[in-house]
Amino acid sequence: DAGVTQSPTHLIKTRGQQVTLRCSPKSGHDTVSWYQQALGQGPQFIFQYYEEEERQRGNFPDRFSGHQFPNYSSELNVNALLLGDSALYLCASSLNEVNYGYTFGSGTRLTVV
Amino acid sequence: AQKITQTQPGMFVQEKEAVTLDCTYDTSDPSYGLFWYKQPSSGEMIFLIYQGSYDQQNATEGRYSLNFQKARKSANLVISASQLGDSAMYFCAMREGYGGYQKVTFGTGTKLQVIP
Repeated sequence: DAGVTQSPTHLIKTRGQQVTLRCSPKSGHDTVSWYQQALGQGPQFIFQYYEEEERQRGNFPDRFSGHQFPNYSSELNVNALLLGDSALYLCASSLNEVNYGYTFGSGTRLTVV
Repeated sequence: AQKITQTQPGMFVQEKEAVTLDCTYDTSDPSYGLFWYKQPSSGEMIFLIYQGSYDQQNATEGRYSLNFQKARKSANLVISASQLGDSAMYFCAMREGYGGYQKVTFGTGTKLQVIP
């Protein structure tokens, strides 16, 4: 039973570029949440997707957008990258209506230079 | 106000000893849940233990136990018989909301180092 899969594992981008990160949820999960974790910090909630719609959003600018596909996989897009966007981006999946918590992927480490 | 507060940036513990990692929380939601996750240097967040706000007994999972004191709004993690592999970052987190609108908020973490 595959857990949460994220790709790529590492990425280096230049300031001003755009990036797309991908996440496949754990089998049987239908909800995907994205988190940004800066070095030495706890994860910060970006947004959550369910039934292909953004359901909740944290305090992140519109440069951060996402998508969920019919197979529940998800993408996180970041436009006009800033140096401060360098972080570990974690995807977490869960099952709607189950208040037990998340299964996390290993993350994508994004470096903006 | 911080929803989750972890006041110990770093902790040391001798191998085979027990250690307590502190966590306090703040919420007005009557139904919430508290989690502890372990994050090794590889980056993956590993679920350790969960405590629901209505659970009467403290949660236990193997060597992990959660000391839940609702009136004090604290949810400390106790690791018994520490092992070298326990060295990692530990995050306390809280779920608020219900069903599909739940959101999980994390603390800033505690770095635990187990000394041989």
